Amino acid sequence: GENVEQHPSTLSVQEGDSAVIKCTYSDSASNYFPWYKQELGKRPQLIIDIRSNVGEKKDQRIAVTLNKTAKHFSLHITETQPEDSAVYFCAPPKEGGGADGLTFGKGTHLIIQP
Amino acid sequence: DAGITQSPRHKVTETGTPVTLRCHQTENHRYMYWYRQDPGHGLRLIHYSYGVKDTDKGEVSDGYSVSRSKTEDFLLTLESATSSQTSVYFCAISGTLAGVQYFGPGTRLTVT
Repeated sequence: GENVEQHPSTLSVQEGDSAVIKCTYSDSASNYFPWYKQELGKRPQLIIDIRSNVGEKKDQRIAVTLNKTAKHFSLHITETQPEDSAVYFCAPPKEGGGADGLTFGKGTHLIIQP
Repeated sequence: DAGITQSPRHKVTETGTPVTLRCHQTENHRYMYWYRQDPGHGLRLIHYSYGVKDTDKGEVSDGYSVSRSKTEDFLLTLESATSSQTSVYFCAISGTLAGVQYFGPGTRLTVT
């Protein structure tokens, strides 16, 4: 099956600084690369995604970059704010892109220090 | 949030009892999923459905069964609950194959 690894598992940054979370995957046929955010006690929610025909996508303070050759994609958050504190998951499609959906990484706990 | 609900939201049950969790959607999405979430493990797929009466196993399906008799409902059953099944259970829906998933609010299950 698809092997997905996220790094780091925990990331602590000062408010206002940038944060970068990296996700590596194994299935070279993957063509969809989403990031989910889960606040404490809440459900995971999609925050940004990218298709394999583009290398970068930006939405205000968040961006996702894709390197298909190296099989990794990254989440970038600039000017971090307290509300960015959450667990972030990458979730590329399972190998074969079938009905079993997405493979979720183990998550990165982002802590924003005031 | 997409029109997706889960019931119950919290449940405490004893070892050996049967438990059924319900996921209900109003989006008419074809694909539905059950995950469990435990510290250090992220989200792990239990079972999924790709249509009415069409279901298959995920990576942690032992001890669980599912049914989908209509598009809007996906039921997860623990035939005989064990303490290792204490977890938070999330249902998710998707309108596209291997595409974006929308999650329900979750059910916190405690097996004593």
